[in-house]
Amino acid sequence: SQTIHQWPATLVQPVGSPLSLECTVEGTSNPNLYWYRQAAGRGLQLLFYSVGIGQISSEVPQNLSASRPQDRQFILSSKKLLLSDSGFYLCAWSTRPPYEQYFGPGTRLTVT
Amino acid sequence: ILNVEQSPQSLHVQEGDSTNFTCSFPSSNFYALHWYRWETAKSPEALFVMTLNGDEKKKGRISATLNTKEGYSYLYIKGSQPEDSATYLCASLNDYKLSFGAGTTVTVRA
Repeated sequence: SQTIHQWPATLVQPVGSPLSLECTVEGTSNPNLYWYRQAAGRGLQLLFYSVGIGQISSEVPQNLSASRPQDRQFILSSKKLLLSDSGFYLCAWSTRPPYEQYFGPGTRLTVT
Repeated sequence: ILNVEQSPQSLHVQEGDSTNFTCSFPSSNFYALHWYRWETAKSPEALFVMTLNGDEKKKGRISATLNTKEGYSYLYIKGSQPEDSATYLCASLNDYKLSFGAGTTVTVRA
């Protein structure tokens, strides 16, 4: 069966510090991978998605970036965090259309 | 970014009562409509994925309908129970891009 891991579960970082969130998927090959954010009181916002190694599509311009160094690894990064980057970050994977999303446990990021 | 809207934003239901809420989505280049249940301290989990106009899906006391021509879907909860308390998200797949609504938060009172 497929499993998706995310870490860390919670993170408190000062403004201006870097960020690295990691997501890995087990039990499937060549999945589509996604990063979402839920800001306080808002719905899920798609940040990035990837259909293969090294292929990243950005949905919302911001100070975040994503990378996919391996087939089942997806990393969300920032060089300098902003207060507005606080939120709940979810990684997800899917296979072929209609792209049913399988979500990871999430990371709660607080930027202070 | 597509405009997927859910209403109401929240609702309170007495245990045993039935309820329903709406998701509206763009009908152009539509491929699929997803419903997810997001319980507190957990990750969203898929309830239904529907693609055809007129589709109806059911899982236990929860069911959903789809109207792709007018761009809306209803989620129904029959005989609400406290364990149904959650945020229900819909997402529309158009042009192979998935956009989520802000969710309807359901609180079932015992």
